[in-house]
Amino acid sequence: GQQLNQSPQSMFIQEGEDVSMNCTSSSIFNTWLWYKQDPGEGPVLLIALYKAGELTSNGRLTAQFGITRKDSFLNISASIPSDVGIYFCAGQQSTNAGKSTFGDGTTLTVKP
Amino acid sequence: GAGVSQSPRYKVAKRGQDVALRCDPISGHVSLFWYQQALGQGPEFLTYFQNEAQLDKSGLPSDRFFAERPEGSVSTLKIQRTQQEDSAVYLCASSLMQATNEKLFFGSGTQLSVL
Repeated sequence: GQQLNQSPQSMFIQEGEDVSMNCTSSSIFNTWLWYKQDPGEGPVLLIALYKAGELTSNGRLTAQFGITRKDSFLNISASIPSDVGIYFCAGQQSTNAGKSTFGDGTTLTVKP
Repeated sequence: GAGVSQSPRYKVAKRGQDVALRCDPISGHVSLFWYQQALGQGPEFLTYFQNEAQLDKSGLPSDRFFAERPEGSVSTLKIQRTQQEDSAVYLCASSLMQATNEKLFFGSGTQLSVL
């Protein structure tokens, strides 16, 4: 089946540092999504990308939809302790509305 | 609250038992999804409802898994004769409409442990 390769698997950074994580796939997706999941909670949508090449920001978060439609990255600038959590990328194909394929996540730890 | 509500929060079952997991979507949301999340992995799609119609059940891992949404609101995921490999967090999500770019709202999940 479809698989998303998300990297890095985990990151340990100092508060104030910038973070970058990415997601690649062998399949083309028409929508890329980035979620954050806190322990014991469901994923919460951070950013949605709908067009190849699109660059979208949400506060300190910036995400891009790769031009090949097979990859995406997420940047977090000036990290703070509450950024701790697991970040998931997810891809959707237009034929399957709402049916997402998720990566295995990047676990972010921020040291104060 | 106004979010997606799932119950029970935790479920421990003996191997071979049947379990039923409940999802209350956000009121008025047309679409409802079930995902399975194994420890250390991302969620995996199980099934999708639009109102009461189950439009996609391609992700259900075996015929022991059954989902229903008889009145187009509350949904139940039933697992018969549970096995240890069924241990996971089961997430429910809903969205307002059926369109591709509709935002999904996830519940907190039911953590199932099969002993």
